[in-house]
Amino acid sequence: DADVTQTPRNRITKTGKRIMLECSQTKGHDRMYWYRQDPGLGLRLIYYSFDVKDINKGEISDGYSVSRQAQAKFSLSLESAIPNQTALYFCATSDPSGLRSSGANVLTFGAGSRLTVL
Amino acid sequence: AQKITQTQPGMFVQEKEAVTLDCTYDTSDQSYGLFWYKQPSSGEMIFLIYQGSYDEQNATEGRYSLNFQKARKSANLVISASQLGDSAMYFCAMSYTGGFKTIFGAGTRLFVKA
Repeated sequence: DADVTQTPRNRITKTGKRIMLECSQTKGHDRMYWYRQDPGLGLRLIYYSFDVKDINKGEISDGYSVSRQAQAKFSLSLESAIPNQTALYFCATSDPSGLRSSGANVLTFGAGSRLTVL
Repeated sequence: AQKITQTQPGMFVQEKEAVTLDCTYDTSDQSYGLFWYKQPSSGEMIFLIYQGSYDEQNATEGRYSLNFQKARKSANLVISASQLGDSAMYFCAMSYTGGFKTIFGAGTRLFVKA
């Protein structure tokens, strides 16, 4: 099984519908993130969480909400989807203590969830 | 504010040759980390290499090396002996040391020709 699992992998929905993207991890990492990827823009941070009681907005949180149900689970919701939320969404985890004890925040990504809003 | 710039939307390289992917960054912080990630056509994001701002040696990981020039604020990725499997999108990224927020450049798509 993958270290970081995202479901669904692909979803087509209509404007106004509520959508939930789910993420679970077996890495044991406290930090979890949701990013969105758009062509020519790279990846942009939507939300991040340090533990189940600590959830923070990223640079593009409008129109999204998240829930950290457990250390291993972090879900992203679009309450009322709109076409410009069509994108590839990534969940990621990190453990800054892992790489050479340098504090490097290396991200481990899920396989991505491709969302199309019609 | 932090910013990552990748000026090459696409690059071609002949198989077995070396290629350099450019990355410049902007930050006022003194302690930070630079990363490169690879995204094959299958879509997943794969960590390749890391360079800390205080590291005196350039980072190397197999065929990947990071040409770190702190004064120029550049962190170019060098891939030696390119392989067909290196064809992918490559993202440069940066975060503060010990920090949580990683910012990404727009990416460079590399095509390796046989």
